[in-house]
Amino acid sequence: KNQVEQSPQSLIILEGKNCTLQCNYTVSPFSNLRWYKQDTGRGPVSLTIMTFSENTKSNGRYTATLDADTKQSSLHITASQLSDSASYICVVSITDKLIFGTGTRLQVFP
Amino acid sequence: GAVVSQHPSWVICKSGTSVKIECRSLDFQATTMFWYRQFPKQSLMLMATSNEGSKATYEQGVEKDKFLINHASLTLSTLTVTSAHPEDSSFYICSAGQGAGHEQFFGPGTRLTVL
Repeated sequence: KNQVEQSPQSLIILEGKNCTLQCNYTVSPFSNLRWYKQDTGRGPVSLTIMTFSENTKSNGRYTATLDADTKQSSLHITASQLSDSASYICVVSITDKLIFGTGTRLQVFP
Repeated sequence: GAVVSQHPSWVICKSGTSVKIECRSLDFQATTMFWYRQFPKQSLMLMATSNEGSKATYEQGVEKDKFLINHASLTLSTLTVTSAHPEDSSFYICSAGQGAGHEQFFGPGTRLTVL
């Protein structure tokens, strides 16, 4: 069964701190893995997209890693800001569909 | 990235009425549009996939006669929730892309509340 699991479900950190979100997947055939940021009441916004052969990809303070052998990915957020408070969704793409994780709810406090 | 808009951003309607939600790709031609539903604290659930000019493909458990999808042009798809009930209250999100394997760009979502 194609599944994408994320941990933790929720996370609270102080402004300026770093954090890492985890994603494990059992999806086949694998096309690419994406991380999205979803603000409350808004649609998801793409942060990174990685194909099978890519190990890491950065987008500003966001750095995603991918281990295709262990089927794990992580999203590292550096020097968090209040505006980083949102849900972060790991999505694995197969041929014509996206398999969504349940997301990690991140709250950044001053 | 490409821009996808949705209208309205929120709607409140009475039970039994029909509601139409529009999804537009503003700066590219979308051969494929997807409609998702998201309940509170849950992930997006794909409802249907529509390709321009052809009938939509619905996911298992989604009633095609209740959720009417029209994708008449390369920049517009509509979702009509017919005879809405309170359990249809949800956040509806569309995405648009240029075919299988291509990037999907998400709209801002439409909050539907059925009284």
